[in-house]
Amino acid sequence: KQEVTQIPAALSVPEGENLVLNCSFTDSAIYNLQWFRQDPGKGLTSLLLIQSSQREQTSGRLNASLDKSSGRSTLYIAASQPGDSATYLCAVPSSPTDSWGKLQFGAGTQVVVTP
Amino acid sequence: DVKVTQSSRYLVKRTGEKVFLECVQDMDHENMFWYRQDPGLGLRLIYFSYDVKMKEKGDIPEGYSVSREKKERFSLILESASTNQTSMYLCASIPLGNSYNSPLHFGNGTRLTVT
Repeated sequence: KQEVTQIPAALSVPEGENLVLNCSFTDSAIYNLQWFRQDPGKGLTSLLLIQSSQREQTSGRLNASLDKSSGRSTLYIAASQPGDSATYLCAVPSSPTDSWGKLQFGAGTQVVVTP
Repeated sequence: DVKVTQSSRYLVKRTGEKVFLECVQDMDHENMFWYRQDPGLGLRLIYFSYDVKMKEKGDIPEGYSVSREKKERFSLILESASTNQTSMYLCASIPLGNSYNSPLHFGNGTRLTVT
């Protein structure tokens, strides 16, 4: 079964620094990978979805890369702001044939950006 | 913009009660999901549905059932609530078509406490 690991579990940086969040998965036969943000006590908000044929995806200050062969994805957040403080989760389909919402999630990286 | 609405943000129930958690989405998505989120265990899939009256078990279905009588509504039922079902419950939806490119949309969650 697919396993997803996120390192580090927590991260604290001063405002303005770039953030680098890592995600690794055990089965490289995935159709896509998603990054989510979760604020305390709230649901998850989709940030980026990378299809298996893509190497990276960008949205504003966010950039996510995907290396299927090594089972890794990295989320970069440029010029961090206090509003970026949240937990960030990555997720992949639970098995190679699953792509429509049956996801395996990492435990998340809790980010604190200090003013 | 896709909206997934969970009817209750917080619920407190007694052991043995029958509990209904309601979820409604407004984007005509075929697939709907119920996850629970617990510290240290992450998100785990309870049940999902890919059409009206269709349902499949996820990873942890024991103690739960679901109902999908209309496309937009997916209900999670705790037949006899127990304290180990105290958790954050998250509903999500995704369209069937083009699902490889579609992110999973989550509601804001229901924090259930069983005493």
